Amino acid sequence: EPEVTQTPSHQVTQMGQEVILRCVPISNHLYFYWYRQILGQKVEFLVSFYNNEISEKSEIFDDQFSVERPDGSNFTLKIRSTKLEDSAMYFCASSGQGGETQYFGPGTRLLVL
Amino acid sequence: RKEVEQDPGPFNVPEGATVAFNCTYSNSASQSFFWYRQDCRKEPKLLMSVYSSGNEDGRFTAQLNRASQYISLLIRDSKLSDSATYLCVARSNSGYALNFGKGTSLLVTP
Repeated sequence: EPEVTQTPSHQVTQMGQEVILRCVPISNHLYFYWYRQILGQKVEFLVSFYNNEISEKSEIFDDQFSVERPDGSNFTLKIRSTKLEDSAMYFCASSGQGGETQYFGPGTRLLVL
Repeated sequence: RKEVEQDPGPFNVPEGATVAFNCTYSNSASQSFFWYRQDCRKEPKLLMSVYSSGNEDGRFTAQLNRASQYISLLIRDSKLSDSATYLCVARSNSGYALNFGKGTSLLVTP
């Protein structure tokens, strides 16, 4: 069964450093998403991406965040200057069409020290 | 104001029991609803979509009441493997972002 994959599974970084989280969505999917989940909190939407541009973003997704689809398979989330409060599990998801089921990857656990 | 609210639990039930989870949503523009399941430190996985007419998938039954902005999930004949956190999710008609509740924790014991 096709699945979303994410790398790395864990990332530890120093405050102020840049991090790039990588995702490989399901191959024939057209819509891509990033969510995050702070420990003990709910899953929160960050951004959706379609046709090589952001289609929707939340208040969390400020200028420190960016997304890119650098090639035909990868979808990345960049945090330019990490803060302590960016520590969370980051989930990538994809769907065939916008209104279809979103399938989540296993997540990248980011710890900012 | 939280968009999707759930009783956090935990619900501790014996194997074979029937358990019901409730959820309310505040955004009346929400059009689509789902129950996702999340195991500890894992990704959310779709359990079932929720339709106005109600729908059933094996031991799981979901109901939606748009007038009350209320969603429910019923699990019959609980199995040990049902132990997880159940996430109530709503999506508005203005985009594809999923709005998650904080989840209800279920522990099924032998």
